[in-house]
Amino acid sequence: QQQVKQSPQSLIVQKGGISIINCAYENTAFDYFPWYQQFPGKGPALLIAIRPDVSEKKEGRFTISFNKSAKQFSLHIMDSQPGDSATYFCAASPTYGGSQGNLIFGKGTKLSVKP
Amino acid sequence: DTGVSQDPRHKITKRGQNVTFRCDPISEHNRLYWYRQTLGQGPEFLTYFQNEAQLEKSRLLSDRFSAERPKGSFSTLEIQRTEQGDSAMYLCASSFEIGSNNSPLHFGNGTRLTVT
Repeated sequence: QQQVKQSPQSLIVQKGGISIINCAYENTAFDYFPWYQQFPGKGPALLIAIRPDVSEKKEGRFTISFNKSAKQFSLHIMDSQPGDSATYFCAASPTYGGSQGNLIFGKGTKLSVKP
Repeated sequence: DTGVSQDPRHKITKRGQNVTFRCDPISEHNRLYWYRQTLGQGPEFLTYFQNEAQLEKSRLLSDRFSAERPKGSFSTLEIQRTEQGDSAMYLCASSFEIGSNNSPLHFGNGTRLTVT
């Protein structure tokens, strides 16, 4: 059972364009939603994360939008650059009495930014 | 802070052999996780430790898999009688958690296992 569904599987964007990756979750106990970036041969690296008490979080060119009622969240990469070409994973986890639960990852989106 | 270190980076083994991987977490991190990632998929949780205690194991962790974290520092993941289906990237991650104060997960660069 896939608890975090991610789309699209792959994405091609022109340099300077906006990249948008979407995720949907099922478990209403999830309350921490990070995005990870992974380059070939490397481990995932945290990009940005959000909790459901806010609907949007922005860090530089990266923005997470969160819709609690729809159980959806998305990553927007503004002014996409060739160096952003990587695989992006959304993830979610619950918190149990203040203790962070284990991350459940989506299947990933391979982003290619064309120069 | 040198990050999470994993060794070896690559391991090729024949079916039926045993393999062991090592993970050195970020020094002040008390939580250590093992994940498995197959081609084209996201990481899947295997198990985690809080200090030296193994607190949770996934159903993915068959009885051929065993993980240890003696003294709450480095961790080892052993796979006995390897099968071709064990071929994957094995990722280690660490974090710091005291009460409700949590740090994000920091991943290592993984050990890529190929079972022939």
